[in-house]
Parts: sequence; C-alpha cells; structure tokens
Amino acid sequence: NAGVTQTPKFQVLKTGQSMTLQCAQDMNHNSMYWYRQDPGMGLRLIYYSASEGTTDKGEVPNGYNVSRLNKREFSLRLESAAPSQTSVYFCASSELLHFAKSGNTIYFGEGSWLTVV
Amino acid sequence: AQTVTQSQPEMSVQEAETVTLSCTYDTSENNYYLFWYKQPPSRQMILVIRQEAYKQQNATENRFSVNFQKAAKSFSLKISDSQLGDTAMYFCAFGDAGGTSYGKLTFGQGTILTVHP
Repeated sequence: NAGVTQTPKFQVLKTGQSMTLQCAQDMNHNSMYWYRQDPGMGLRLIYYSASEGTTDKGEVPNGYNVSRLNKREFSLRLESAAPSQTSVYFCASSELLHFAKSGNTIYFGEGSWLTVV
Repeated sequence: AQTVTQSQPEMSVQEAETVTLSCTYDTSENNYYLFWYKQPPSRQMILVIRQEAYKQQNATENRFSVNFQKAAKSFSLKISDSQLGDTAMYFCAFGDAGGTSYGKLTFGQGTILTVHP
C-alpha cells in the first residue's frame, strides 16, 4: 500500500542551488500534481499533469519546472532555489483529471520539507 | 475564482465529545465537490469525507459527518465521539467539477483541532 511516494523527505539548500523532488505513484493513476504548503496556509497548486506526456501550470508555477517521466513518475525541479521557496511540497495523484468524469479523489504523499538558506 | 474560508484557526474538544469545524466557500459554479482533509503531525494529507454539490443528502463516514448548506455556501464537519487520534490540522477544500476543471483543489487556511483526554 505505498500509494504516493516522495523523495527526499527533508532537504536543505543554499540560495541558487538546484534540486529535483521525485514522486512516484503505484495506483495506476493518470493525473499527478505538485502542491506547496506554507506555514499557516492551505495547499497551493504548482503544476499538474493531466496524463502521461502533458504538464500545465497551476497557481504558483514561477521558479519551478516539472517532468512527467512516465505514468508513474512526476518530478519537480527548482532551477535556482530562493528562500521564498522554503515550504513543504506535496505530490498527489488521481485516477482522472476531471471530478465530474471520474468521481474520484486526490491522494497525497507524505510531503517533502525543503529549506532554502 | 473560488475561495475557501475556515474562520476557526484552533479548536479543542474533550475526548468522547462532539465538535464542529466550520467552512464557507465562494463560487459561481453550480457543479462542484467539497472535501475535508486531515493532516496529522506526520504532515500526510488524509481524505476524511467528500460531498458532491448535486447531492442534497449530507455525507457521513463513521464518526464524521457534514452539514452541507448549498444556498449558504457552508460546509461544516462534525466529529462525534472524538478520539485522541483525531488531533490534527483539518482542511476544507473545494474542487470545481465543471468542464474546464483540471482537478485543482482550493484549500482553506486550516483549523487545528486538539482532542484532550
């Protein structure tokens, strides 16, 4: 019952460094998402992938890039980390993109804590 | 754009008692889904309950139930027979089920619930 797995769980970066957060799901879901959660706030969508081979911007995409490597994996890259990107990052997946068609829900990973100093 | 508001930053309840968490939202859409997610200290996001806007009947999941008032745009969560394991941050979330939706969830700010023995 792995569900959605993210790595690493904790990371400290220096300003200007780059890194990639990895995410994999084993539920055969088509859609995957990256969210960030800042202290005292709800989650905000960074990027999403409706299906293998497609990616689109969410609410807060600036400073990030994503890659949908295959159906299982969806990575998030910070090219030049900034202190404003200090946050907890959540990967998530769902069977299909549209609620009305799938009636499904979104399953979240356990989060990756990123600190940029 | 949709907004979700949770007006109670913190709540506390005695074990075995009942507590209600409030959530209001604003949308011009008619077809949507509402969710309550639980985030324990481990930070994992766990789906508690979901409600389809077209259903008049309030959703229930064991000790968890909702009071969905569509006209008032209110979606409260009632937890009966509270348990120590219910201690967590609770997020209310809105999902647009319209044709242009893309699985994006809009989250409220969260309510920290503490269950006391």
